[in-house]
Amino acid sequence: EDQVTQSPEALRLQEGESSSLNCSYTVSGLRGLFWYRQDPGKGPEFLFTLYSAGEEKEKERLKATLTKKESFLHITAPKPEDSATYLCAVRSGGYQKVTFGIGTKLQVIP
Amino acid sequence: GAGVSQSPRYKVAKRGQDVALRCDPISGHVSLFWYQQALGQGPEFLTYFQNEAQLDKSGLPSDRFFAERPEGSVSTLKIQRTQQEDSAVYLCASSLVRDSLNEKLFFGSGTQLSVL
Repeated sequence: EDQVTQSPEALRLQEGESSSLNCSYTVSGLRGLFWYRQDPGKGPEFLFTLYSAGEEKEKERLKATLTKKESFLHITAPKPEDSATYLCAVRSGGYQKVTFGIGTKLQVIP
Repeated sequence: GAGVSQSPRYKVAKRGQDVALRCDPISGHVSLFWYQQALGQGPEFLTYFQNEAQLDKSGLPSDRFFAERPEGSVSTLKIQRTQQEDSAVYLCASSLVRDSLNEKLFFGSGTQLSVL
């Protein structure tokens, strides 16, 4: 069974203080690793898909990287509007099911 | 439509009551998913439709949970004889492509179910 572990569960940063969120995964045949952002009272919003080790993707202050065992979401010079829960998810084999981690709740303080 | 629409936004049910949750996916999206998200947890997979066919219902927690998508667009998740442990946010998601395993999901805002 696919497993996704995210750390830390919560992270509090000062505005401009860069950091990284971790996602460790165990799957049989990775077919995609996803990062989503979820704001309170909303559904998750897609950020990135990574397919293979060594791949990197960037969007504004966010950069996602992937190895064979984990993924990192790097946040550079965060702003208060980056405050949200960041979810990591994996899809494996021939299945459509996407398995999510518990998420990292990020708070950026002005 | 502009996005995935779910209704009602909030639902309060007495224990033992039946409930029906509705999902309107983005027009033309082939795949539809239901997820359950407990407070402070990540979304947990419930079931998956490709058009009107329910291809995976492995995540439904009990036979009290039933989902349908009869015409391949709107979907309904029904929970019979609700229990307190059913309290959660129920998320619906859709995606455009049937065969791509890496297609991103578009989520609705969810229905928050509280069972008293």
